[in-house]
Amino acid sequence: AQSVTQLGSHVSVSEGALVLLRCNYSSSVPPYLFWYVQYPNQGLQLLLKYTTGATLVKGINGFEAEFKKSETSFHLTKPSAHMSDAAEYFCAVSGPNAGKSTFGDGTTLTVKP
Amino acid sequence: SQTIHQWPATLVQPVGSPLSLECTVEGTSNPNLYWYRQAAGRGLQLLFYSVGIGQISSEVPQNLSASRPQDRQFILSSKKLLLSDSGFYLCAFSSGGQGIYGYTFGSGTRLTVV
Repeated sequence: AQSVTQLGSHVSVSEGALVLLRCNYSSSVPPYLFWYVQYPNQGLQLLLKYTTGATLVKGINGFEAEFKKSETSFHLTKPSAHMSDAAEYFCAVSGPNAGKSTFGDGTTLTVKP
Repeated sequence: SQTIHQWPATLVQPVGSPLSLECTVEGTSNPNLYWYRQAAGRGLQLLFYSVGIGQISSEVPQNLSASRPQDRQFILSSKKLLLSDSGFYLCAFSSGGQGIYGYTFGSGTRLTVV
């Protein structure tokens, strides 16, 4: 069984400030971990993924995430927020069973000018 | 390149009417296909997935069904819609059998049952 918990349904930062979105996972097998971004009334877009190897992974739009097995975490960060980063972000874990992904409930990021 | 097309974008249907949502994939063969539903302020709930033509697995008992008549076509259906079927429906595919590449999502269908 696998599950994802995203801490904080809403996060608000000022433009230029650090973005930190938290994700903890549970998986009975080595996980594949993902972050997706969703803009209003659109589908989700893959930001970055961790499968194996380097635990710090970089994605699009300046985002990165670090896989910490001991903490079962996969937090998403960006050094400096832009107004265009305002969106909903989803963490997901995938396993070997037909590649099914389990998603967290999402975190809405608001960026203040 | 790999792309996915999902339609329609919005749909308003009366209670008791039938439903058919369709998505098609281009640029890859034998993808895993998925239907998710997203409720307002909630995450994504997996409804159905398919690893091959005619192979459908249901994740939750409900008023909906899915079919995969062709390798890159996935259809979500209902014979009689309920008010509770309202939501945002997302089709997705993955190229790797174990989900290692993540999903590519369609643009979604906003279904309102009235």
